[in-house]
Amino acid sequence: GNSVTQMEGPVTLSEEAFLTINCTYTATGYPSLFWYVQYPGEGLQLLLKATKADDKGSNKGFEATYRKETTSFHLEKGSVQVSDSAVYFCALKTGANNLFFGTGTRLTVIP
Amino acid sequence: DVKVTQSSRYLVKRTGEKVFLECVQDMDHENMFWYRQDPGLGLRLIYFSYDVKMKEKGDIPEGYSVSREKKERFSLILESASTNQTSMYLCASSPGTLTTQPQHFGDGTRLSIL
Repeated sequence: GNSVTQMEGPVTLSEEAFLTINCTYTATGYPSLFWYVQYPGEGLQLLLKATKADDKGSNKGFEATYRKETTSFHLEKGSVQVSDSAVYFCALKTGANNLFFGTGTRLTVIP
Repeated sequence: DVKVTQSSRYLVKRTGEKVFLECVQDMDHENMFWYRQDPGLGLRLIYFSYDVKMKEKGDIPEGYSVSREKKERFSLILESASTNQTSMYLCASSPGTLTTQPQHFGDGTRLSIL
């Protein structure tokens, strides 16, 4: 079946620290992979995506590489800011309508 | 930019009421979705629609129904609201049939059933 596993949160970092949020997946076929971000009180926003193996998605200083050999799509940022505090969701899509989400990882960045 | 608009950010209703949550998208997307989001459970798909008047059950359709009379509008209906339907509800839309196309989300409706 299809599933996404994210690292347990919450994650608390100091400003300018390096961020990694782990995401691994199980999928049939050739999925596309996504990271979404949810700021407090808001809906989900697409952060980045990768649609095939070895693709790197990037946006707003965040990066993630589609690793088929390890079935992973870890989110990284070199220097986090207080404004990055949010919940991050990893997701995979295997068809037109099937989007599978992880349970989310809450990130808090302190000054 | 894609705009998905949910009619209410916060809603308080009473047990047994019929509740309507409305969602409108402005990008002529074929596909629309309703999810609920609960702490520790992530997002769970309630229903989706791939065309006008078409609907498909998601993972947790019990207690809900949907309506899609126009392409841009997708309504979620709680036939007889219960306290266990207190949740954050998120609407999303996406174009076409390609795996590579992401879903775009509205800001959510936080629904409380008293």
